[in-house]
Amino acid sequence: EPEVTQTPSHQVTQMGQEVILRCVPISNHLYFYWYRQILGQKVEFLVSFYNNEISEKSEIFDDQFSVERPDGSNFTLKIRSTKLEDSAMYFCASITTGQGPNFGAGTRLSVL
Amino acid sequence: KNEVEQSPQNLTAQEGEFITINCSYSVGISALHWLQQHPGGGIVSLFMLSSGKKKHGRLIATINIQEKHSSLHITASHPRDSAVYICAVEKTSYDKVIFGPGTSLSVIP
Repeated sequence: EPEVTQTPSHQVTQMGQEVILRCVPISNHLYFYWYRQILGQKVEFLVSFYNNEISEKSEIFDDQFSVERPDGSNFTLKIRSTKLEDSAMYFCASITTGQGPNFGAGTRLSVL
Repeated sequence: KNEVEQSPQNLTAQEGEFITINCSYSVGISALHWLQQHPGGGIVSLFMLSSGKKKHGRLIATINIQEKHSSLHITASHPRDSAVYICAVEKTSYDKVIFGPGTSLSVIP
């Protein structure tokens, strides 16, 4: 069964460094999302992406964040200058007609 | 105010018990999702509902659109059902999913 894949599974970085989280959505899906979950808290929406552009973003998704679909298969989330409070689990999801979202297994980001 | 609420927050059950987790929401929706999150962190979609009732194995999900309420039932619970169960809603099709706080279920042998 097709699935959303995310890499890496765990990323450790120093505060101020740039990180890129990668996702490969399911191939025929058209809508893509990034969510994050800070430890012990609920999952929060970051950004949605459709037709090669951002369709909605949350207040969390400030200028330090960006998304790209560079090659028609990968969907990336970049954090330009990480802060301690960016430490969280980041989930990618994709969706197609009539089905619930398919989530990746997540990338655990630890900012030291 | 949270748009999606769940109860209980935590639930401990003996193996074999019938379990109910409740979800209420305060916005108009196009669909409601029940999701499962295991300790490793991955999220799995269990059900997508826009009306009525769905059943998959020992899991049953119901929704009452007028009352803005949904329930997830687990029959003959098993320790492997131990996980966080999350209710989440879409306001419109293909919209972002708004997550509830989750219900942490522990099933004891």
